[in-house]
Amino acid sequence: EAQVTQNPRYLITVTGKKLTVTCSQNMNHEYMSWYRQDPGLGLRQIYYSMNVEVTDKGDVPEGYKVSRKEKRNFPLILESPSPNQTSLYFCASSSGRGRNQPQHFGDGTRLSIL
Amino acid sequence: QKEVEQNSGPLSVPEGAIASLNCTYSDRGSQSFFWYRQYSGKSPELIMFIYSNGDKEDGRFTAQLNKASQYVSLLIRDSQPSDSATYLCAVTSPPDSSYKLIFGSGTRLLVRP
Repeated sequence: EAQVTQNPRYLITVTGKKLTVTCSQNMNHEYMSWYRQDPGLGLRQIYYSMNVEVTDKGDVPEGYKVSRKEKRNFPLILESPSPNQTSLYFCASSSGRGRNQPQHFGDGTRLSIL
Repeated sequence: QKEVEQNSGPLSVPEGAIASLNCTYSDRGSQSFFWYRQYSGKSPELIMFIYSNGDKEDGRFTAQLNKASQYVSLLIRDSQPSDSATYLCAVTSPPDSSYKLIFGSGTRLLVRP
C-alpha cells in the first residue's frame, strides 16, 4: 500500500530535549515536505526537499532541521524544542513530475512541548 | 507575503443542498490550485486540482478558477453529512517550484441531516 508513515503519532516532551520525528514514503517520490498546522493558521511549510541531499527552507523553518540522506526518508529534527513548537505536524510527498502531482500526507504527529 | 484566504466558517448547509466554498489568492503567478478535505484529527486528502480557467467537474465536486479575479471555488452538489469537514485551498507558489504549496486556513463545512 502506498503511504507516508510518520512516527511517533503523539509525543509529550519537555523544553530543550532534542527530538526527531521520522517520515518515510514507499512511493519512490522525489519531493518531500514538512508542515505544521495550528488553529486558525492552516498548514505552514517548514522545510522541503526536491531530492536526496537537496533541502530548502519553507515559510517557518526557525527551530527545525531536516536531512535527506535517502530518497524514502525525511526526518524532522527539533534540536532544542520550545513550547511554541507545540503543534500538529504533517509530512507529505509527491512525485514532483508535473505541476499537478498531488501531495500525499502522513497521518500526522501531535507534539506537545511543556 | 503570498497569501491564500478562506472564510473560516462554519458554512452550514442542509443535506442535499449545494455547498459553495471560496478561496482567493494574492500571487498572480500561481499556476495550480488544489482542494483538500480534512476531517477532524486526520490528514488532508486531495479532492481536486485545477490549473485552467473555467470549471472542472468530478462527480459531485466542481472546481472553478478565475485567474483574472484570483479566485478559486469548490462546489459540492447534493451535500451529504459525510462531507462535513474542513476544506483547504492550496495554491502553488512560483517561482520557487511548482511543488511548493501555500495553504489557506480552511473553511469548515457542516452538512445538516
